[in-house]
Amino acid sequence: EAGVAQSPRYKIIEKRQSVAFWCNPISGHATLYWYQQILGQGPKLLIQFQNNGVVDDSQLPKDRFSAERLKGVDSTLKIQPAKLEDSAVYLCASLSEGSYGYTFGSGTRLTVV
Amino acid sequence: QKEVEQNSGPLSVPEGAIASLNCTYSDRGSQSFFWYRQYSGKSPELIMFIYSNGDKEDGRFTAQLNKASQYVSLLIRDSQPSDSATYLCAPRGAGSYQLTFGKGTKLSVIP
Repeated sequence: EAGVAQSPRYKIIEKRQSVAFWCNPISGHATLYWYQQILGQGPKLLIQFQNNGVVDDSQLPKDRFSAERLKGVDSTLKIQPAKLEDSAVYLCASLSEGSYGYTFGSGTRLTVV
Repeated sequence: QKEVEQNSGPLSVPEGAIASLNCTYSDRGSQSFFWYRQYSGKSPELIMFIYSNGDKEDGRFTAQLNKASQYVSLLIRDSQPSDSATYLCAPRGAGSYQLTFGKGTKLSVIP
């Protein structure tokens, strides 16, 4: 079974620029999550999708972050404009119905300078 | 606001010893508890989970729950240098498919 795919692996941008991250979950996994992990902290949930609908985006800074999951498969997370404090690893995870723990992708490390 | 507290460490143990990692959580409705291991520069990987009805042993790993104290622990027996990583505790709330993560405890196993 292929894992959760994310791209790019690394991204360096200047503050106020925009950036997008892509995630392809494990085939058949209906639930998809985006987490933000700042260095030295645990992952923090940004948004949860069930198929192509949003289940929870209460912790997503909607003034600058947006996410979509078209056709219930791939997902894109966008930041516009980026701030220095957005420097973090952005992790995508997916979960199949009836299973338990998430499977994480390898993450995208964002550095905002 | 659901909170998960872990001692950030580092926790240093000699090779072959038992490492004990602890976690407290605020959400009394939590139904299951997950432990993830995260090597430096890598993404978290699930190592085990337990339900609210009991402890669990899997190889060298044992997860224990004290519901009254809202406390979860992970014991690693015969610790190996390859166990050196950050261990993240993540409870899952009732009726939820979301995990809330602690900051993690960094474990260092000294050869």
